[in-house]
Amino acid sequence: AQRVTQPEKLLSVFKGAPVELKCNYSYSGSPELFWYVQYSRQRLQLLLRHISRESIKGFTADLNKGETSFHLKKPFAQEEDSAMYYCALTRTGTASKLTFGTGTRLQVTL
Amino acid sequence: GAGVSQSPSNKVTEKGKDVELRCDPISGHTALYWYRQSLGQGLEFLIYFQGNSAPDKSGLPSDRFSAERTGGSVSTLTIQRTQQEDSAVYLCASSLNGPRADTQYFGPGTRLTVL
Repeated sequence: AQRVTQPEKLLSVFKGAPVELKCNYSYSGSPELFWYVQYSRQRLQLLLRHISRESIKGFTADLNKGETSFHLKKPFAQEEDSAMYYCALTRTGTASKLTFGTGTRLQVTL
Repeated sequence: GAGVSQSPSNKVTEKGKDVELRCDPISGHTALYWYRQSLGQGLEFLIYFQGNSAPDKSGLPSDRFSAERTGGSVSTLTIQRTQQEDSAVYLCASSLNGPRADTQYFGPGTRLTVL
């Protein structure tokens, strides 16, 4: 069975501090990993996916197959980063359902 | 261009009534998904359409839930004899169906409240 675990429900950091949102997964095979974000009163949207290996809004995530992790990081948090973050996985290769973690609320304070 | 749209945005119903939720995917997207977002369960997959057929219905919680898609476009999720535990935000997403797992684009959701 596939599973995504986000251990923190809430992460509160000060503006300018580093951020790390944790995500661990279990999957038999080679999954594709994503981070989705939901800002207040907005729809769920893709933040980044591991195959793109790109940085979006200063966020990066590296897939660690040995530790089955896909932690989201940003060196300096901004107020506008406050949102709900979901880690998700799907099967590689074709359209398929997303399995989501329970989400972590990031709160960036002054 | 236009994103995924869903209607209604809010629906309040009485226990035991039937409800229909609608999803309009992005034009040209052949894959369509329904998810449910609730406080206790997080984001759960319900059903996936490829064109008008549903190769994965594994997330539908009971036979009170059904969905159809017509013309490879609009989809309707129907919940019969609603129960209070059906209260949630129902999300629709669509994607292209290329040779890899394409990005799923989400709609704004329908908030269902069962009294």
